[in-house]
Amino acid sequence: GAGVSQSPRYKVAKRGQDVALRCDPISGHVSLFWYQQALGQGPEFLTYFQNEAQLDKSGLPSDRFFAERPEGSVSTLKIQRTQQEDSAVYLCASSPVGGWNYGYTFGSGTRLTVV
Amino acid sequence: DAKTTQPNSMESNEEEPVHLPCNHSTISGTDYIHWYRQLPSQGPEYVIHGLTSNVNNRMASLAIAEDRKSSTLILHRATLRDAAVYYCILPGYYGGSQGNLIFGKGTKLSVKP
Repeated sequence: GAGVSQSPRYKVAKRGQDVALRCDPISGHVSLFWYQQALGQGPEFLTYFQNEAQLDKSGLPSDRFFAERPEGSVSTLKIQRTQQEDSAVYLCASSPVGGWNYGYTFGSGTRLTVV
Repeated sequence: DAKTTQPNSMESNEEEPVHLPCNHSTISGTDYIHWYRQLPSQGPEYVIHGLTSNVNNRMASLAIAEDRKSSTLILHRATLRDAAVYYCILPGYYGGSQGNLIFGKGTKLSVKP
């Protein structure tokens, strides 16, 4: 597709439920980032992939958060045993090699509400 | 933590120029300055970036101070569609030409008709 696609657009989960959020980056984009954005705040970095390799997961808030990109294209962010503080918009961004020079392309995000 | 300081909010009138300031006093010699904006209910959108010289593209201009400790994003004629949160960003690096965007709270720009 022409842009970064994220699904679902909205997700309501009961506390304790596991969720999986999907990101389809722009075809051929090597780099993929996940961000978490709480209401009224700027996005916060979660994790970074270069192809299938997860090069930085320093932003994942707990071991309940797990991300993968097994074939270097589609990525999934999984949250186990969701808590209310996990409610946020989860954003995915991708870029080609040399992304600095072109800017990163973000998806519209998945809004997760934990009730 | 974000390495930039921006005003929380600004207002502009439609069709007038807007100057959005950003302070980044701890900038290093190799840091590029990036600007993104986020419209309501959308993901951030790349606007412009630069190193030392002033930069222009179809969306905006970026004026960088000579000491590089501050910069200004310039929208030459604000439209209602420019109402958004504007983020000034110094990235974290992974080496080479790739890096992580470290967002602050940004400046919320309101545009009045």
